[in-house]
Amino acid sequence: DAGVIQSPRHEVTEMGQEVTLRCKPISGHNSLFWYRQTMMRGLELLIYFNNNVPIDDSGMPEDRFSAKMPNASFSTLKIQPSEPRDSAVYFCASRLTSGSPGELFFGEGSRLTVL
Amino acid sequence: GESVGLHLPTLSVQEGDNSIINCAYSNSASDYFIWYKQESGKGPQFIIDIRSNMDKRQGQRVTVLLNKTVKHLSLQIAATQPGDSAVYFCAETGGTSYGKLTFGQGTILTVHP
Repeated sequence: DAGVIQSPRHEVTEMGQEVTLRCKPISGHNSLFWYRQTMMRGLELLIYFNNNVPIDDSGMPEDRFSAKMPNASFSTLKIQPSEPRDSAVYFCASRLTSGSPGELFFGEGSRLTVL
Repeated sequence: GESVGLHLPTLSVQEGDNSIINCAYSNSASDYFIWYKQESGKGPQFIIDIRSNMDKRQGQRVTVLLNKTVKHLSLQIAATQPGDSAVYFCAETGGTSYGKLTFGQGTILTVHP
């Protein structure tokens, strides 16, 4: 299995621009998570989906952030407009809901720099 | 003003020594506790988990201990190797937060050859 695939791996953009991060979960996994990692805050859960349905988006910082999961094999996290404080590594993770609740499979992350 | 980042605890050991990484958790309702390893430039990787009805669980070269009385979790790594150098995170889930993991701040483990 290829694991969780994220793109782009690196993105540098200017303040005010729209950013779209993409994730392909492991085939057969039915839970998907978006995390953000910064030195200031560590790993924070932004949103998670079960069977393509958003379950908890309480971690989404503000209305500039939105996430979608149109089907079981694809999810996007969009930031519009982006700000310098959004600079972070964004991780997507997936899990088989029937498996161990703690065993998430993370992608390699998308490192976002907003200038 | 200047931003202040997290000051992660660090542990430095010699190759072959045993390592113990500690974690305190806060949510009494959590019923799963997990350890993750994150190498530089990579995503976190699951190591081992333990349910709240257990106090010890062993894996390959790793042991997790859970003390619910003092809300303390530890990860023991036997015969630590240079490849074990990474940041180690504890995480918890359960109660009303079941399904989503809350991560601790992490501990940097450095293994010297």
